[in-house]
Amino acid sequence: RKEVEQDPGPFNVPEGATVAFNCTYSNSASQSFFWYRQDCRKEPKLLMSVYSSGNEDGRFTAQLNRASQYISLLIRDSKLSDSATYLCVVNFYGGSQGNLIFGKGTKLSVKP
Amino acid sequence: NAGVTQTPKFQVLKTGQSMTLQCAQDMNHNSMYWYRQDPGMGLRLIYYSASEGTTDKGEVPNGYNVSRLNKREFSLRLESAAPSQTSVYFCASNPGGIGYGYTFGSGTRLTVV
Repeated sequence: RKEVEQDPGPFNVPEGATVAFNCTYSNSASQSFFWYRQDCRKEPKLLMSVYSSGNEDGRFTAQLNRASQYISLLIRDSKLSDSATYLCVVNFYGGSQGNLIFGKGTKLSVKP
Repeated sequence: NAGVTQTPKFQVLKTGQSMTLQCAQDMNHNSMYWYRQDPGMGLRLIYYSASEGTTDKGEVPNGYNVSRLNKREFSLRLESAAPSQTSVYFCASNPGGIGYGYTFGSGTRLTVV
């Protein structure tokens, strides 16, 4: 079964904290990895792709460990506006079209 | 630029009624998708269309049909709505192939009573 597993949280952190989310995936043939952000009652939006060498976008750092089949997202200096659900997303390439499999999400609440 | 547009945003149906959810994208994307999202279940793929003229079942296709009307439009039809189909429905698109994330529409909140 295709699975992407995340800790559902919620993670409750104070402003300025560093928080890390992990995600594991079951299919070793996966080739594309993403983190999405979903605000309450809104659509998911792409936060960042995850590359094999790791990548950073401002306060956000994504890491991929293919050997252990896990992905991480680190958020530094948390802001109130970071409060959202973070979805780990993995592509399972099969046939002529890969499909994205979404984790159930990790809820983050940043408090003043 | 609109991206992915879904209509309607909200809908209440009675059990047994039918309706079509509309989705259109203006990004010249090849692939389009329909997902449903339920509390505690995450996003589940209903149907997708890898390219114009093709459609395939996803994880939860029962009770739904789709039509890829042209490259821009991908509709989802509920022929006989059931309370179990109460959900938030998202349409998404991407250029096609691996390596691309999806762009989502703002969703349709459907309640079946």
